[in-house]
Amino acid sequence: EVQLVESGGGLVQPGGSLRLSCVASGFTFSYNWMYWVRQAPGKGLVWVSRINIDGSTTTYADSVEGRFTISRDNAKNTLYLQMNSLRVDDTAVYYCTRDLAWGRFDPWGQGTLVIVSS
Amino acid sequence: QSALTQPASVSGSPGQSITISCTGTSSDIGGYNYVSWYQQYPGKAPKLMIYHVNNRPSGISDRFSGSKSGNTASLTISGLQSEDEADYYCSSYTNSITLPYVFGTGTTVTVL
Repeated sequence: EVQLVESGGGLVQPGGSLRLSCVASGFTFSYNWMYWVRQAPGKGLVWVSRINIDGSTTTYADSVEGRFTISRDNAKNTLYLQMNSLRVDDTAVYYCTRDLAWGRFDPWGQGTLVIVSS
Repeated sequence: QSALTQPASVSGSPGQSITISCTGTSSDIGGYNYVSWYQQYPGKAPKLMIYHVNNRPSGISDRFSGSKSGNTASLTISGLQSEDEADYYCSSYTNSITLPYVFGTGTTVTVL
């Protein structure tokens, strides 16, 4: 079964850090670009970051540029999102997903909740 | 990059057909055939329903169909069922200099 499982979310104070992980199974992880998407409570989906197959190319939304770092370990079939200088408006469920080809995003992980609050 | 515009809500009775629109610009929907649609139940992850404008992944009911005209893409659900009650998001490739995809604002489908 093709599957993505996120972990690492939790409650953190403003200015703090968290590292999210996304473990892939059921497919050749190193073949696909990977993305992080977030959804604030009661809000819509927003693209956060992406990484190419070998990790040499990364892209970020303006709102997280300079604070978040996406990376991957193909040997461990794992995608990461290092989140620093967290702000209250980073509070959201964070999903990882695979780009099969030109915006065909499937599957999605179950999501991990990040709450930034004092 | 601004979000694509979707109606906040659409409703229909069981068995009816409904259509959700997704309006963008020539820089996204109008310029590329890379529109996808996602279904999301409350508290659950999004699920791919349509990709590349009008293609269904394996296992997705043929009651779901997609189309595009100019800068507007559409998702049609025919033979509406109670299980179709969910949020739906469109997404399109865009020629943005940052992230190359943009989501729609989301539409809540209610089955009356």
